[in-house]
Amino acid sequence: GAGVSQSPSNKVTEKGKDVELRCDPISGHTALYWYRQSLGQGLEFLIYFQGNSAPDKSGLPSDRFSAERTGGSVSTLTIQRTQQEDSAVYLCASSLAFQIGYEQYFGPGTRLTVT
Amino acid sequence: GQQLNQSPQSMFIQEGEDVSMNCTSSSIFNTWLWYKQDPGEGPVLLIALYKAGELTSNGRLTAQFGITRKDSFLNISASIPSDVGIYFCAGINAGNNRKLIWGLGTSLAVNP
Repeated sequence: GAGVSQSPSNKVTEKGKDVELRCDPISGHTALYWYRQSLGQGLEFLIYFQGNSAPDKSGLPSDRFSAERTGGSVSTLTIQRTQQEDSAVYLCASSLAFQIGYEQYFGPGTRLTVT
Repeated sequence: GQQLNQSPQSMFIQEGEDVSMNCTSSSIFNTWLWYKQDPGEGPVLLIALYKAGELTSNGRLTAQFGITRKDSFLNISASIPSDVGIYFCAGINAGNNRKLIWGLGTSLAVNP
């Protein structure tokens, strides 16, 4: 596609429910990244994929968070048993490859609100 | 995790004024990127820098990769209302080239 797309754009869920956030990267981009941005804060790195592999999961806040990528394209970030502190904007980015100097291009984000 | 020191945290300026913001790090970086984020959207890449001393312009924006490789600045000349947003610096650490390190952002408000 022309850019990175994310869905849903907004998600309101009750505490304790599971949510799935989806990211469609730019066609041909092999690297995909997930970030979290709390209100008025910078970007918190969560996880990246090179192809379908996630070599570094150290940024995931807890074991309630998981992510997968299939076919080297679409990625899903899953949050189980959501808590109020999970409320944030979840941003996805992709880049041509996971190497020095390959710029990341961002989607519009999914705003998650846990009530 | 590691973060860059970005300053100022926020700016409120008059339309037509020039703006300058910078990022510093305690370690050497080999790539610096500057992004802008509008409300409700993801960050958009403005300028990418790959060599120490490199000076790159994009319209009214100019960014430089510091010669010490530990800092970068972004200048905006003759600001206009649509420059409003949050500007983020990001860099790739020379010792850890597998993820971008982000600043906390500079929030810019422009008074028409």
